[in-house]
Amino acid sequence: DVKVTQSSRYLVKRTGEKVFLECVQDMDHENMFWYRQDPGLGLRLIYFSYDVKMKEKGDIPEGYSVSREKKERFSLILESASTNQTSMYLCASSLLGRGVNEQYFGPGTRLTVT
Amino acid sequence: DAKTTQPTSMDCAEGRAANLPCNHSTISGNEYVYWYRQIHSQGPQYIIHGLKNNETNEMASLIITEDRKSSTLILPHATLRDTAVYYCIVRPDALINAGGTSYGKLTFGQGTILTVHP
Repeated sequence: DVKVTQSSRYLVKRTGEKVFLECVQDMDHENMFWYRQDPGLGLRLIYFSYDVKMKEKGDIPEGYSVSREKKERFSLILESASTNQTSMYLCASSLLGRGVNEQYFGPGTRLTVT
Repeated sequence: DAKTTQPTSMDCAEGRAANLPCNHSTISGNEYVYWYRQIHSQGPQYIIHGLKNNETNEMASLIITEDRKSSTLILPHATLRDTAVYYCIVRPDALINAGGTSYGKLTFGQGTILTVHP
């Protein structure tokens, strides 16, 4: 059974803190994605990676960075958390090329920045 | 990506078939129809996709009209756990990078809220 796991389901951080969100997949997928989901705004792509050490900006990369040192792991970093980064963060993975839209999502991390 | 139109909400009795329609009249020849769902407070879940032939897997069936302008997702025996928001997406099945804009980004519209009743 395909599996994408995220390090935390719920996280509360203070403004200015550095936040690490970890995602691990066990399907040997080349692509990994970080989205955030907010009411009324739907799903928005932050960053994605199609290979180890490769990364591409999505639609809303400002305030975020990512790291992909191993194929199975994709980390999202909030360098200095702000209240407008309070959101549900979703990690996904898929195959490269055909199958790219068959994305498997983790359970999500609900981050609250106070 | 082609625009899709779905009903805002639908109800279904437990054990009955749930038929969720999606209109995609501007679909292009290389675009596939994908269905996802999202149960409350969980990540989205891939269900099924197809190009022009009808498709079936362990979760659902996908019926695409001959002109490909609409499709129907069928959950043959709906259960209470199928209560979720269902999203229909139309896009090419390929990663486009190096100057392209697709790169597998999923964009969900409003979707259909399916409520399965006992």
